[in-house]
Amino acid sequence: DGGITQSPKYLFRKEGQNVTLSCEQNLNHDAMYWYRQDPGQGLRLIYYSQIVNDFQKGDIAEGYSVSREKKESFPLTVTSAQKNPTAFYLCASSTGAGTGELFFGEGSRLTVL
Amino acid sequence: AQSVTQLGSHVSVSEGALVLLRCNYSSSVPPYLFWYVQYPNQGLQLLLKYTTGATLVKGINGFEAEFKKSETSFHLTKPSAHMSDAAEYFCAVRPPNTGNQFYFGTGTSLTVIP
Repeated sequence: DGGITQSPKYLFRKEGQNVTLSCEQNLNHDAMYWYRQDPGQGLRLIYYSQIVNDFQKGDIAEGYSVSREKKESFPLTVTSAQKNPTAFYLCASSTGAGTGELFFGEGSRLTVL
Repeated sequence: AQSVTQLGSHVSVSEGALVLLRCNYSSSVPPYLFWYVQYPNQGLQLLLKYTTGATLVKGINGFEAEFKKSETSFHLTKPSAHMSDAAEYFCAVRPPNTGNQFYFGTGTSLTVIP
C-alpha cells in the first residue's frame, strides 16, 4: 500500500541530545513537509521541500534541520538548540502541483526527559 | 498572509444531532480548501476537499462542506453525529500559485455525548 511511514512512533531524549525522526513515502510525491503539533496550537510548519536537494524553512525552523537527498525520504533532526522539543511531529507529502492534498504519516511523539 | 479561523476550539453535540464546524479563511483569491480529521496519537486523514466546480462537497463518513465565496467560509456539517465522530478536525487552505504551502486552522475538538 502507498503511504507515508514515520519512525519511531515514540521517542524519549535527554536534554542536550540530537535526535532524528525518519519519514519515508512511496507515493512518488515531489513535495514533503514537517509539522509540529502542540495542544491548542494546530499544526505549525517546520520545513518543507518541493524537490530533491532543496528545502525551505517554515514558520518555526529554529533548532531543527532537514535533508532531502532522495525523493522518498525527508528526515528531520531535532537539535539540542531547540528549546522546547517535546511535541508530536507529523510528516506529510503532496504531489507538489495542481490541487493535490496533503497525505500524512502517523506521527512521532518526542518527549524530552 | 493567509489565515484560517476555526470558530470554537471545542464543540459538543448529542449523538444523532447535527454537527456544524466552522471555518473561515482570509484570501482575495479563492484557495483550495480541505477538512481533515485526527484521532488521538494519529496522523491527519482527509475528509473532503474543494478545488473547483460544485460548491457543495461530499466526503467520507457522511460529512459534507459548502464553499461560500461571498462569506469566505467552508463549514463542515454532518446531519447526524455518531460516537465515532469524536475527534479533532482541522480546516486547511492551499492558495493557488503560492508554492505548495498549506495553512491550517487551530482545530476543533468534537465531543459526541451519548
